[in-house]
Amino acid sequence: QEKVQQSPESLIVPEGAMVSLNCSFSDSASQSIWWYQQHPGKGPKALISIFSNGNKKEGRLTVYLNRASLHVSLHIKDSQPSDSAVYLCAVQPDTNAYKVIFGKGTHLHVLP
Amino acid sequence: GGIITQTPKFLIGQEGQKLTLKCQQNFNHDTMYWYRQDSGKGLRLIYYSITENDLQKGDLSEGYDASREKKSSFSLTVTSAQKNEMAVFLCASSIRAEVFFGKGTRLTVV
Repeated sequence: QEKVQQSPESLIVPEGAMVSLNCSFSDSASQSIWWYQQHPGKGPKALISIFSNGNKKEGRLTVYLNRASLHVSLHIKDSQPSDSAVYLCAVQPDTNAYKVIFGKGTHLHVLP
Repeated sequence: GGIITQTPKFLIGQEGQKLTLKCQQNFNHDTMYWYRQDSGKGLRLIYYSITENDLQKGDLSEGYDASREKKSSFSLTVTSAQKNEMAVFLCASSIRAEVFFGKGTRLTVV
């Protein structure tokens, strides 16, 4: 069964820093991979997704996928205090596209 | 845009009690989910439903039942609440792998 692991568990950075979040998964044939943001007391919200090897940029967010190394990363440029949240990596397995698997998340704190 | 509404927002139950959580979505999505979120354990899939009247067990289905009688609604029943249990239950729906979540029901068992 697909496994999704995230690192680090938590991260504290000053405002304006570049943030790098990591996610490893177990099946190179997995379909799309998503990053979600969750603020306290709210449900997770999708930020960005990637399917093909390489990178994808949307605003301050860039995601990198390397299927050979089973690794995806999310980079947040010019981080803001409002970026403070839990970031979840989610993988859509090839064996069952409906059964989206989430990692445990990275707690990000951006200090003003 | 659409919305996923979960009721109640807070649920306090007693040990051994049967408790029902409800979820409504107006996205018109076929697929719906129930996840449990515990501190330090991430989101764990309890049940999902590909279409109306379909039910599929997730990794954490033991101790739970689910019902999908209409496309727009998906309910979850805790069959026997465990003492000191505290968790957030998240309902979600999806299209093309993007998952949309409700705000959650926070369960406390006394």
